Amino acid sequence: AQSVTQLDSHVSVSEGTPVLLRCNYSSSYSPSLFWYVQHPNKGLQLLLKYTSAATLVKGINGFEAEFKKSETSFHLTKPSAHMSDAAEYFCVVNFNAGTALIFGKGTTLSVSS
Amino acid sequence: DAGVIQSPRHEVTEMGQEVTLRCKPISGHNSLFWYRQTMMRGLELLIYFNNNVPIDDSGMPEDRFSAKMPNASFSTLKIQPSEPRDSAVYFCASSFGSGDEQYFGPGTRLTVT
Repeated sequence: AQSVTQLDSHVSVSEGTPVLLRCNYSSSYSPSLFWYVQHPNKGLQLLLKYTSAATLVKGINGFEAEFKKSETSFHLTKPSAHMSDAAEYFCVVNFNAGTALIFGKGTTLSVSS
Repeated sequence: DAGVIQSPRHEVTEMGQEVTLRCKPISGHNSLFWYRQTMMRGLELLIYFNNNVPIDDSGMPEDRFSAKMPNASFSTLKIQPSEPRDSAVYFCASSFGSGDEQYFGPGTRLTVT
């Protein structure tokens, strides 16, 4: 079955240290992949998307993600965390054109000073 | 563009009352999605429309829930009768196609007492 898995439900980092949020998907094909961010009491906002162009995708607020087909992964990274990065992050996959996106269960990122 | 517009932003009602949530998608988008988000169950897709036609309503929890999209610029999600367990944040999102990136509204926070 096609699925998306966010490997960590909660990640804690210190301000200024790197961020790594992990996402794996199961599919025989190369899907479209997205990362969304949700700040407290806000709607979801698109961070970045991969649609079979460059495997390293740059998004807003200094985030980027790398598509690795051999590992079926699309991990989200940022070199230096900021307090304002504290939020919920969702990895999202589209396996078949014309079908709805599939959302991961989310990873809560906490950033301490 | 004003983005996806949802109303009301907050709704407090008593058990047994009818609740209607409204959504105006981004102009030109052909797909519209309704989600529910709670701490316990996370983000759930309730129903989505393509070109005003319901495509998948398998996420609608029970017959008390109904959704309509009478035209390309308006959709409603109705709960009748409402129950305390319906308390959640309800998001509407729209996209050009069902597999494209979705743009989320700010959500409606529903509290049923």
